[in-house]
Amino acid sequence: DAMVIQNPRYQVTQFGKPVTLSCSQTLNHNVMYWYQQKSSQAPKLLFHYYDKDFNNEADTPDNFQSRRPNTSFCFLDIRSPGLGDAAMYLCATSRDALAGAVHTQYFGPGTRLTVL
Amino acid sequence: QKEVEQNSGPLSVPEGAIASLNCTYSDRGSQSFFWYRQYSGKSPELIMSIYSNGDKEDGRFTAQLNKASQYVSLLIRDSQPSDSATYLCAVRNNQGGKLIFGQGTELSVKP
Repeated sequence: DAMVIQNPRYQVTQFGKPVTLSCSQTLNHNVMYWYQQKSSQAPKLLFHYYDKDFNNEADTPDNFQSRRPNTSFCFLDIRSPGLGDAAMYLCATSRDALAGAVHTQYFGPGTRLTVL
Repeated sequence: QKEVEQNSGPLSVPEGAIASLNCTYSDRGSQSFFWYRQYSGKSPELIMSIYSNGDKEDGRFTAQLNKASQYVSLLIRDSQPSDSATYLCAVRNNQGGKLIFGQGTELSVKP
């Protein structure tokens, strides 16, 4: 089945130790998103790729970076995780379409990050 | 004013009742509206999408949209304990096509 896959599902890292989260998709969607979701809060968009074009949100800290080597894969790099970065990280994809069409986003299962 | 607002709840309804979840949004130019269900510790799952004024029904779920009032709702008929989750309202704005999420309404269906 076509789907969005995230690895690992659970990640434990130490304060300041770089960590990379991965997302892959078999939907052949051209847009990929990374969200951060903390407990009892709405998902917060960090950035997204429209094809190869990277779009950073204005309030996303520099500590967060992303790579998209090809259509199927997208990575979230946290260069120096702090305690406040502990959260669920959600990858989502959508198929951009002509104006007026729907841009439904499909989410992966998420990676829960713990920072010790 | 938040861009997308929902009552955080928890909303508690008895099994078999109708659960009504409400959402208001501030961007009058918004065109696409989505309801996601999120179980604790899981990722959001799309339940309904709606783009035109009026009602859209899918099984036990009905989404209602009123663009003049900037209001979208989700009705769940014959609520089941398995419907207990947080329901996220999401609105696609016209600036870059991003989804703006509300904070979610926690629904609890009591047997």
